[in-house]
Amino acid sequence: DVKVTQSSRYLVKRTGEKVFLECVQDMDHENMFWYRQDPGLGLRLIYFSYDVKMKEKGDIPEGYSVSREKKERFSLILESASTNQTSMYLCASGETGTGELFFGEGSRLTVL
Amino acid sequence: AQKITQTQPGMFVQEKEAVTLDCTYDTSDPSYGLFWYKQPSSGEMIFLIYQGSYDQQNATEGRYSLNFQKARKSANLVISASQLGDSAMYFCAMRESSRDYKLSFGAGTTVTVRA
Repeated sequence: DVKVTQSSRYLVKRTGEKVFLECVQDMDHENMFWYRQDPGLGLRLIYFSYDVKMKEKGDIPEGYSVSREKKERFSLILESASTNQTSMYLCASGETGTGELFFGEGSRLTVL
Repeated sequence: AQKITQTQPGMFVQEKEAVTLDCTYDTSDPSYGLFWYKQPSSGEMIFLIYQGSYDQQNATEGRYSLNFQKARKSANLVISASQLGDSAMYFCAMRESSRDYKLSFGAGTTVTVRA
């Protein structure tokens, strides 16, 4: 079974803390994505990576950075968490050209 | 500008009946693809069905069918013979060739199936 695994299902952090969200896929996909999901807004793309060490900003990159040192792993970093970053974060991976994405189960982050 | 619009925040449907979820999209790309995903309460996103902009026939996958009306820029999902397990959030998404295959998602529609 294909799998995208996110390291933490639930996290609670304090304002100003550095937060790492990890994502690993076992399908050898070139492309990996981080989305943020908020009620009424759907999923919004934060960052996208199409190869190791390559990244591209999505629609809402402010306050976030990413790292992709290995093909299977894509990390989302909040350098200094703020309360407006309380959200559900979804990682996805996919092949170039197909469009279909495979998602992890999500990481629900609360920033106090 | 909103690329994907889902106007129904929530819907109720009786078990065994059909339900139609609306989706309209906005793009000037001649080549694009439309997707529907299901998100149960557990959180994972499940791919349901895909329609390419050049596909001549409407896509079908088991109880799911996509009513694609290109001129109206709509891609409605029809779920036939609803089951209790269909209760979930449903998202419409679009891939445009000009956006390097990144998916844009709508706000979602919550479907609740009643016994």
